[in-house]
Amino acid sequence: AQSVTQLGSHVSVSEGALVLLRCNYSSSVPPYLFWYVQYPNQGLQLLLKYTSAATLVKGINGFEAEFKKSETSFHLTKPSAHMSDAAEYFCAVLSGGYQKVTFGTGTKLQVIP
Amino acid sequence: DTEVTQTPKHLVMGMTNKKSLKCEQHMGHRAMYWYKQKAKKPPELMFVYSYEKLSINESVPSRFSPECPNSSLLNLHLHALQPEDSALYLCASSQDTRTSFYNSPLHFGNGTRLTVT
Repeated sequence: AQSVTQLGSHVSVSEGALVLLRCNYSSSVPPYLFWYVQYPNQGLQLLLKYTSAATLVKGINGFEAEFKKSETSFHLTKPSAHMSDAAEYFCAVLSGGYQKVTFGTGTKLQVIP
Repeated sequence: DTEVTQTPKHLVMGMTNKKSLKCEQHMGHRAMYWYKQKAKKPPELMFVYSYEKLSINESVPSRFSPECPNSSLLNLHLHALQPEDSALYLCASSQDTRTSFYNSPLHFGNGTRLTVT
């Protein structure tokens, strides 16, 4: 089954600094990848998805991710962090059928004023 | 505001109790899901219903019993739970074809935080 690995369980950035959250996938065929965000005491919200149409994917709230096959990566970036970006971010992949979404272990983003 | 509504928001139950979690969506989605999320962990898939039929059961213990009475509702019946079952239970819904799922993946509710004493 396909899986994703998120490097760094905690990331701290200063407000206004670049956000980079790392995700690597394990797949020999092009995977379907997602980034979700979870704010405290809430469910998960889709930030963006990769479905092989374009390697650079733009999502909500100014986030984007680039699919790099050579590096088996799908890192999430945002040019300038905002306090409201503090949350848990999950990379996810379809595994074993289109209804089975498997989540990475998550990265908690802290934004320092 | 989330389009998937879960009730109750919080639930405390004893190990001998029977309780139910409820989930409702009005987006016309025909696939509904239960996920379990332990503290500081990612969500883990429990069950998937497609067109009101159970399509995926991830070897969940029988003390968890899902039910999908119609296309908008999903229940999770709980009986004889253990303290280790304490977690956030998330409901989600999606379109039910591969292409439409890619266009609009999982939509989550805000969850029910369950504590088993």
